[in-house]
Amino acid sequence: DAKTTQPPSMDCAEGRAANLPCNHSTISGNEYVYWYRQIHSQGPQYIIHGLKNNETNEMASLIITEDRKSSTLILPHATLRDTAVYYCIVHASYDKVIFGPGTSLSVIP
Amino acid sequence: KAGVTQTPRYLIKTRGQQVTLSCSPISGHRSVSWYQQTPGQGLQFLFEYFSETQRNKGNFPGRFSGRQFSNSRSEMNVSTLELGDSALYLCASSLARDREQFFGPGTRLTVL
Repeated sequence: DAKTTQPPSMDCAEGRAANLPCNHSTISGNEYVYWYRQIHSQGPQYIIHGLKNNETNEMASLIITEDRKSSTLILPHATLRDTAVYYCIVHASYDKVIFGPGTSLSVIP
Repeated sequence: KAGVTQTPRYLIKTRGQQVTLSCSPISGHRSVSWYQQTPGQGLQFLFEYFSETQRNKGNFPGRFSGRQFSNSRSEMNVSTLELGDSALYLCASSLARDREQFFGPGTRLTVL
């Protein structure tokens, strides 16, 4: 079973920030939080990951709460090309990667 | 740097046949994982290979098997195909087991 809980769907207006939440209340100390997205019929694409600290790269920002029980992926200026299914995963190096159903994000013009 | 490549991209088989799918990871990546994706079950983990050894296996029957070669290329095999094996099979590679995964485009398998 997936170790994360995400809303099944979200809408975001084009040009606005998209904030995608993820709950991982049973996360272990050695598990990282990873985010991937999948655009229809393509392979998933890595976005960002983190352990404790907030992270930012050219695609997104990842905010992890201090207790590590939840996180938020932020797409600062959503475009139509950001419409995709977003997966939040917690994973340790020795463990299998379990994907949940993810959040289907629709960016609205 | 070339991405993860999977061959073939599309495949049609009939029930009872067997199939072999191939994955070439990004150069230098030593970990390869396989996933099955269907509309009903989503993305499901099949197995992970690192340094030619299977490190993890998902909840799939023994008809699903795989291997990794010394150059990190990997193959997966499905024997005695069933209609329910129709799916998109995705391969992902990573530099190490604790690093992000890069996915290939997948092989679309249709079993008739």
